[in-house]
Amino acid sequence: DQQVKQNSPSLSVQEGRISILNCDYTNSMFDYFLWYKKYPAEGPTFLISISSIKDKNEDGRFTVFLNKSAKHLSLHIVPSQPGDSAVYFCAASSGQNFVFGPGTRLSVLP
Amino acid sequence: DAGVIQSPRHEVTEMGQEVTLRCKPISGHDYLFWYRQTMMRGLELLIYFNNNVPIDDSGMPEDRFSAKMPNASFSTLKIQPSEPRDSAVYFCASSLGQVSTEAFFGQGTRLTVV
Repeated sequence: DQQVKQNSPSLSVQEGRISILNCDYTNSMFDYFLWYKKYPAEGPTFLISISSIKDKNEDGRFTVFLNKSAKHLSLHIVPSQPGDSAVYFCAASSGQNFVFGPGTRLSVLP
Repeated sequence: DAGVIQSPRHEVTEMGQEVTLRCKPISGHDYLFWYRQTMMRGLELLIYFNNNVPIDDSGMPEDRFSAKMPNASFSTLKIQPSEPRDSAVYFCASSLGQVSTEAFFGQGTRLTVV
């Protein structure tokens, strides 16, 4: 049973527009959430995170929103750039380990 | 720091052979994780260590898999005997282990068992 779900395997967006990647979780004990970006033949790299005491965290073009009541978080990228094309993993933690979603492949079209 | 270092980057082996994957975590990190990435299951946690002690190995698929961390700067993941269904990318990651910190990943080992 997947505790972290990313229901969209892929997403295509035009350059300059907003990309919205979604993530749902089932375990209410999760209190820290992260987004990772992965290019082919590389390891995942940390992008942005949010603690359960917040509902929004922003870092440049990247913003993560958390809706605890819905057990849902989203990553907004604006404006999207071709270099953002990658697989994005949502992850959640309730202690010291991290549970990952299956990933969403984002393609930003020039 | 050079980050998390994994070796080898690629491994091709025949079914039935023993495979050993290696990982050097970031210096000072208390936690080390082994993940496996497949198309079907995404990134799944196999095992993680805290201060060289295995904490949770419930993700290890079978007895054919074993992991050790003899010291703070080195860990191995061994598969014996290997099977074609073990083919995947194996990632090692480490973290400081404090609340609200991220894990840093190595570049992974792509294992192909033929």
